[in-house]
Amino acid sequence: KNEVEQSPQNLTAQEGEFITINCSYSVGISALHWLQQHPGGGIVSLFMLSSGKKKHGRLIATINIQEKHSSLHITASHPRDSAVYICAVGWTGGTSYGKLTFGQGTILTVHP
Amino acid sequence: KAGVTQTPRYLIKTRGQQVTLSCSPISGHRSVSWYQQTPGQGLQFLFEYFSETQRNKGNFPGRFSGRQFSNSRSEMNVSTLELGDSALYLCASSFGSGARFFGPGTRLTVL
Repeated sequence: KNEVEQSPQNLTAQEGEFITINCSYSVGISALHWLQQHPGGGIVSLFMLSSGKKKHGRLIATINIQEKHSSLHITASHPRDSAVYICAVGWTGGTSYGKLTFGQGTILTVHP
Repeated sequence: KAGVTQTPRYLIKTRGQQVTLSCSPISGHRSVSWYQQTPGQGLQFLFEYFSETQRNKGNFPGRFSGRQFSNSRSEMNVSTLELGDSALYLCASSFGSGARFFGPGTRLTVL
């Protein structure tokens, strides 16, 4: 079983829809990262969370440390949001210091 | 501020050869980490450096190595290349253990 599980693996939406991508992890972590990867490979860091909720524009990320679960929400989705969204967990202490473990990614396609 | 740069962007090698990839972090960032991305395995952590010291290493064979210089630039080396080493190699820099800023990657093809 992977340490980091994302769902769904594929998501298709119509422009304007509200989108949710989920990430669950199995061990205690220091921080959770949400990343966006467009075709061609470039990865952009969207959020880094250790508790609560963060918002940037139409993107909202939440994390529940007790339940080991995080969600990424996109409000009023747009075709330019089409990308792979990747969840990663990291540690800032112990033998896993600096290490990131990644989910398998969610492929999002938003149709006009 | 200039972003993370990686050179070269594309590389073709044959089995048995070795390769060195370079990463220049964002100015002021002292942490550099490396990742391998393949269609089958996804993104996997290779190693992380801070102030010229390797702080952690992923589950890769000893053929994969790296180093960091005093100006925070980093290199990774893969010796005795295998077909399965074909991948996108990404580096990222961060200020301490904060958000990672990724470079564009080096796409390595091993023939």
